Amino acid sequence: AQSVTQPDIHITVSEGASLELRCNYSYGATPYLFWYVQSPGQGLQLLLKYFSGDTLVQGIKGFEAEFKRSQSSFNLRKPSVHWSDAAEYFCAVVPNTGGFKTIFGAGTRLFVKA
Amino acid sequence: DAGVIQSPRHEVTEMGQEVTLRCKPISGHDYLFWYRQTMMRGLELLIYFNNNVPIDDSGMPEDRFSAKMPNASFSTLKIQPSEPRDSAVYFCASRIGSQGAFFGQGTRLTVV
Repeated sequence: AQSVTQPDIHITVSEGASLELRCNYSYGATPYLFWYVQSPGQGLQLLLKYFSGDTLVQGIKGFEAEFKRSQSSFNLRKPSVHWSDAAEYFCAVVPNTGGFKTIFGAGTRLFVKA
Repeated sequence: DAGVIQSPRHEVTEMGQEVTLRCKPISGHDYLFWYRQTMMRGLELLIYFNNNVPIDDSGMPEDRFSAKMPNASFSTLKIQPSEPRDSAVYFCASRIGSQGAFFGQGTRLTVV
């Protein structure tokens, strides 16, 4: 079945530490891949996207993500987390085989400790 | 562009009443999505439109829910009659083709 999985419901990291949020997808062909962030009381904001080409993509707010076809993964990373990064992060896909609806993972809530 | 605009931001209504949520997508975007977000169920896609035409409404929970997009700059999501279990944050999002979606601030609906 087609799906987007974010294995971690929540993650806590110390300010200044590195961060990696996991995302795996299950589709027949590589879909278009996205990461969004949602701060409390806000809508989702697009961080970055991958369509093709270079497998390491840069986004806003210092985030990057790496696409690994062999692992069907699109993990989000940041080298040094700031307290303002505390939010919920959603991985999403748009299948490139018709339909084109955006399908979201369940989200990972990031807590940042001082 | 001001982004995706939703109104109202907050709505409190009594059970049985009709509720209408409104959305103005970003100009030029050809896709529009309605999502519902709750703690229990996360982010659920209710319905989406392409060029004002409903493409997939399989996520609409019941016949009490309906959505329209009379033109490229306006969409509504209506719940009639409303029930307490409809309480959630409803998001509208728009995008061009398969690009990333832009979300509105959401409407927090409380049905008492």
